[in-house]
Amino acid sequence: KAGVTQTPRYLIKTRGQQVTLSCSPISGHRSVSWYQQTPGQGLQFLFEYFSETQRNKGNFPGRFSGRQFSNSRSEMNVSTLELGDSALYLCASSLEGPDDGYTFGSGTRLTVV
Amino acid sequence: TQLLEQSPQFLSIQEGENLTVYCNSSSVFSSLQWYRQEPGEGPVLLVTVVTGGEVKKLKRLTFQFGDARKDSSLHITAAQPGDTGLYLCAGDRRAAGNKLTFGGGTRVLVKP
Repeated sequence: KAGVTQTPRYLIKTRGQQVTLSCSPISGHRSVSWYQQTPGQGLQFLFEYFSETQRNKGNFPGRFSGRQFSNSRSEMNVSTLELGDSALYLCASSLEGPDDGYTFGSGTRLTVV
Repeated sequence: TQLLEQSPQFLSIQEGENLTVYCNSSSVFSSLQWYRQEPGEGPVLLVTVVTGGEVKKLKRLTFQFGDARKDSSLHITAAQPGDTGLYLCAGDRRAAGNKLTFGGGTRVLVKP
């Protein structure tokens, strides 16, 4: 079966711009979670969506937002980019929730210059 | 301070040696998962442990969940270069809602 697909794989943006990242979960998986991974902080939870509803949100500023569509695909948006937003953004899908175990995508590497 | 502390942060060993990675917390978890991540890829789930004291084996990898469900360990026997990667533990706490909390990771390098 197809895995979790994240697009694009790489992205270079300028400070102040905004960016939208996309995630297509495994077919049948209804929960989609987003994480930011940096060398200094490791994996930090951004948010989790289930059936188009945000069920949980991490401690990130309001510049970080997301949504989930009826087909479970998800997008996350970062507005007014800062240099510190440079990171690997990982999407993970699971059947009903994180305790089912995550299947991660390969991530989107965002570089802000 | 991270909720889940992994140690060591980095481990370099020769092929054939054994290694143990630890994941510790002061909090109780309903379950704990271990992942391995290779460069340029997302983490891959290795195992989930749910019951205190539980031991699970995956070929040369042995995972243990502490009796109090606050800590876990991963032991690799006769490590091979293919075991090289970043090992991450992740805990599920019901009180935290629908998310996993990840440890900082242990980078393992197995030299041939």
